This record gives sequence, structure tokens and C-alpha cells, in this order.
Amino acid sequence: EPEVTQTPSHQVTQMGQEVILRCVPISNHLYFYWYRQILGQKVEFLVSFYNNEISEKSEIFDDQFSVERPDGSNFTLKIRSTKLEDSAMYFCASISGDNTGELFFGEGSRLTVL
Amino acid sequence: GQNIDQPTEMTATEGAIVQINCTYQTSGFNGLFWYQQHAGEAPTFLSYNVLDGLEEKGRFSSFLSRSKGYSYLLLKELQMKDSASYLCAVRGTGANNLFFGTGTRLTVIP
Repeated sequence: EPEVTQTPSHQVTQMGQEVILRCVPISNHLYFYWYRQILGQKVEFLVSFYNNEISEKSEIFDDQFSVERPDGSNFTLKIRSTKLEDSAMYFCASISGDNTGELFFGEGSRLTVL
Repeated sequence: GQNIDQPTEMTATEGAIVQINCTYQTSGFNGLFWYQQHAGEAPTFLSYNVLDGLEEKGRFSSFLSRSKGYSYLLLKELQMKDSASYLCAVRGTGANNLFFGTGTRLTVIP
């Protein structure tokens, strides 16, 4: 069964460092997303990406964040200068684009900022 | 804005039936989803409703009333492995995006 894959599964970084989280969405999917979940809290939308550009972003997704699809398969989330409060599980997700499509989530990348 | 409410925690007995409610007030509506999330894992899809009524899928059923902004997830014949968080999510009208509630942590006891 096709799946969304994410790397790394866990990253520990120092405050102020740049972090890149990587995702390979399901190959025929058209919409890509990043969500985050702070421990014990709800899943929060960060950004959606369609047709090689951001289609929607939340207020969480400030100038410290950026997304890119550098080639035909990878979809990355970059945090330029990490803060303690960026510690969370980051989920990549993709959807085929039809109206009944479910969102398929990757296993997540746990980011710990020290 | 998006406002999705569901109870924080519920406890039910193995073999029983449990209903998890969700109410929502969103700026756009294009379907309601239920996801299951075990601790430390990714959400996994359970059900999808876009029209009013009940959708049944094995031990799991989901109901939607758009006029009331209300949904519930019904779990029958509860098993210990059903202990998890159940996330109600509403899809808005743009970019197929989902907005999640805080989730309901269900504990199944023997």
C-alpha cells in the first residue's frame, strides 16, 4: 500500500539552528500538507501546497518556516532558526485531490529543540 | 475561524458501545472526518461524512448533521486496542485542508 514517508523520525537540535524535515508524499497525490502536534495538544495545520506553490497557511507558519518541493518527489519543511516552542511532532500529509479523498499522514518527525 | 469541540476524555468497558460527539463551527464545510491516533503515532483515517446521515464501516459508524454542526463516532464491541485518541476534523472549502479538534482520549477497561 502506498504511504507517505518522513525523515528523520527524530531530530534533536539547539535553539537557533536550522532544521529541514523531509517528506515523500504518495506519488500520484496533488496536495501536500504539514501539520504539527505539540505533545498532548491537538493536530494543528501549518501549510498546504499545490501546483508548486503554497495554497494556504496558518498564522503559525510565520517567516521562520518555508516549504519546498525541490524535485518531483520530496516535500520539505524548513525552520530557519528554531525556538524551544517549535518542539513538536511534525506530520506530512498528502491527498489525491478528489473531493472524497482522505488525508494520508506520514509517521511524523519528532523535533526536540534544546 | 474554526471551532471544533469534542470531549477530552472518555472511558468505556470492553465489549460495550461508546459514542464520541463532535460539534463544529467553521467558516466553510466540505466534509467531516474521524481519525484514530495511538500515542506517538500518526492519525489514521476512520470515516468520512459529507452528507447528513449515518455511515457504517464494520464496528465503527459516523453520523453527521450539517444543520446542527454535529457529528458522532460510534464504536461497537469495544476492544482493548480501541484505546486511543479519536480526532474529529472538518475540511474547509479551500485546498482540501483539514482542521482538527483537540481529540477525545478513549480508555477501554476490562
